[in-house]
Amino acid sequence: GEEVAQTPKHLVRGEGQKAKLYCAPIKGHSYVFWYQQVLKNEFKFLISFQNENVFDETGMPKERFSAKCLPNSPCSLEIQATKLEDSAVYFCASSPSANEQFFGPGTRLTVL
Amino acid sequence: GENVEQHPSTLSVQEGDSAVIKCTYSDSASNYFPWYKQELGKGPQLIIDIRSNVGEKKDQRIAVTLNKTAKHFSLHITETQPEDSAVYFCAAPHAGGTSYGKLTFGQGTILTVHP
Repeated sequence: GEEVAQTPKHLVRGEGQKAKLYCAPIKGHSYVFWYQQVLKNEFKFLISFQNENVFDETGMPKERFSAKCLPNSPCSLEIQATKLEDSAVYFCASSPSANEQFFGPGTRLTVL
Repeated sequence: GENVEQHPSTLSVQEGDSAVIKCTYSDSASNYFPWYKQELGKGPQLIIDIRSNVGEKKDQRIAVTLNKTAKHFSLHITETQPEDSAVYFCAAPHAGGTSYGKLTFGQGTILTVHP
């Protein structure tokens, strides 16, 4: 597709529940980035992929967060045992070169 | 790592006026500088970008200037319209290593254009 697609648009979870977010990058783009946007507009980098390989995972709280980009499937970001502070909007972006990054509409996660 | 500072945090202008938003960055190896516009409830939209081998780039009413020596870059919007109202972010990617491409964003500028 010509736009990055993210599903679902909204996700509500009770604390401790699992949450799984999906991202379909623009066709032909080999890089995928995940960012978390919290209050006051702050963006936090989580993880990046080059094709199906993890490129940089320095932003991921690894004990609860995991992510995958498998061939012929949407990329996914999974949070095990969600916490209140995970409430945020999660964006993925795809890029042909790791420079120009095109963002999806985001998934708003609310943890109650 | 990269540190990006953006000013002002809010900017209010009258329709037709110009708006300027400034950013500074810390990593002298950075060579690509995008600007994003984010409307309420939407994802950031890439509106213009500049590479370090040029000092200015224009696209209709928007322009970006880059001063590599001073490590700052600016977004200029001329003849502002109410639909320009949004939050604008500058960003700079990490230039090398395994963090290549990872964007560090500025703090955002809330631009309000009054009719």
